[in-house]
Amino acid sequence: DVKVTQSSRYLVKRTGEKVFLECVQDMDHENMFWYRQDPGLGLRLIYFSYDVKMKEKGDIPEGYSVSREKKERFSLILESASTNQTSMYLCASKAGDTHMEQFFGPGTRLTVL
Amino acid sequence: QKEVEQDPGPLSVPEGAIVSLNCTYSNSAFQYFMWYRQYSRKGPELLMYTYSSGNKEDGRFTAQVDKSSKYISLFIRDSQPSDSATYLCAMSASAGNMLTFGGGTRLMVKP
Repeated sequence: DVKVTQSSRYLVKRTGEKVFLECVQDMDHENMFWYRQDPGLGLRLIYFSYDVKMKEKGDIPEGYSVSREKKERFSLILESASTNQTSMYLCASKAGDTHMEQFFGPGTRLTVL
Repeated sequence: QKEVEQDPGPLSVPEGAIVSLNCTYSNSAFQYFMWYRQYSRKGPELLMYTYSSGNKEDGRFTAQVDKSSKYISLFIRDSQPSDSATYLCAMSASAGNMLTFGGGTRLMVKP
């Protein structure tokens, strides 16, 4: 079974703090993704990575950065958290460009006060 | 206008009912269509996946794509309380492209 784990289920941070969200997958997948999920808006892609040290902007990259130093780990960084970044953050991975299925982690509910 | 539209619900049905969940989309380039199921406090998991137009059946679930109308459906027969979840449609122009998700429909099946 593919397993995608995220470092925290719930996180509460203050405005202006630097926030790190970690994601690890155990299936040697090439591609990894970070989404945020908000009511009525579905999943919106923040960033994705198709290889170690490679990253591409998604639909809503502003205010975020990412890091992929190892194949199994993909980190999302909020350089200076703001209240409008309060959301559910979902990490996903998939085997490669010819594969369709993305496997999701359980999500991190981030609240920025 | 969003690229993929989905009624947010909630949709409440009695156990045993036939459920119809739908999405409309505007991008005629979409070729791959998926349905993800998301239980409360969990990540989405792939339920069904179809390519281009037509129907696909898997047990109690049937996915239907009508590209001429830009409309996709998921039917659930003999719905069970365990089917209570949020159902997200997702679509893509090719296997290498990013997925575009609908907003999700929350389904509640009452015993």
